[in-house]
Amino acid sequence: AQTVTQSQPEMSVQEAETVTLSCTYDTSESDYYLFWYKQPPSRQMILVIRQEAYKQQNATENRFSVNFQKAAKSFSLKISDSQLGDAAMYFCAYSPNTGNQFYFGTGTSLTVIP
Amino acid sequence: GAGVSQSPSNKVTEKGKDVELRCDPISGHTALYWYRQSLGQGLEFLIYFQGNSAPDKSGLPSDRFSAERTGGSVSTLTIQRTQQEDSAVYLCASSSQGQGLSETQYFGPGTRLLVL
Repeated sequence: AQTVTQSQPEMSVQEAETVTLSCTYDTSESDYYLFWYKQPPSRQMILVIRQEAYKQQNATENRFSVNFQKAAKSFSLKISDSQLGDAAMYFCAYSPNTGNQFYFGTGTSLTVIP
Repeated sequence: GAGVSQSPSNKVTEKGKDVELRCDPISGHTALYWYRQSLGQGLEFLIYFQGNSAPDKSGLPSDRFSAERTGGSVSTLTIQRTQQEDSAVYLCASSSQGQGLSETQYFGPGTRLLVL
């Protein structure tokens, strides 16, 4: 079975500080994709960052970066210089290269404290 | 269109009634997904359409749920004889998915369904 676990239901960070959201997944596949999505109160899910499992280099997108540890099946998201607009629910997702499905974690609610 | 759109944005219905939820994917996207998001939960996969292939219905929770995709574009999710446990946000996503590839999904704003 393929599962995605986000062990932090809630996190908070001071504005301008750095926060790391954790995600682990379980799979027997060797080739897959990992995603972080952001869902603000407007409900619109927005892609934050994406990582291909075959790439060793961690993906980076401006203030957002990941720490992808394939052997440990860990995929954490680091948000640097946190901004008030970063406050949202963050979902980690996994998709096997051979399949159609995406598997989502239960989310981490991030609060940014001014 | 510029993004995935869904209608209605909110729907309140009485237990036992049927509801239809609509999704307009991004033009040209061949893959379309429906998810259900219950309060405090992650996204639960419901159904997947890819081009003209038979849909993957493995996530539909019961035979009260069905979905169609007409002309490879607009999709309708139908819930018959709604139950209170069907109350959730229903999200649609589309992607330009090629065969065997896993592309980024773009989500609509969702339809919040409340069954009284």
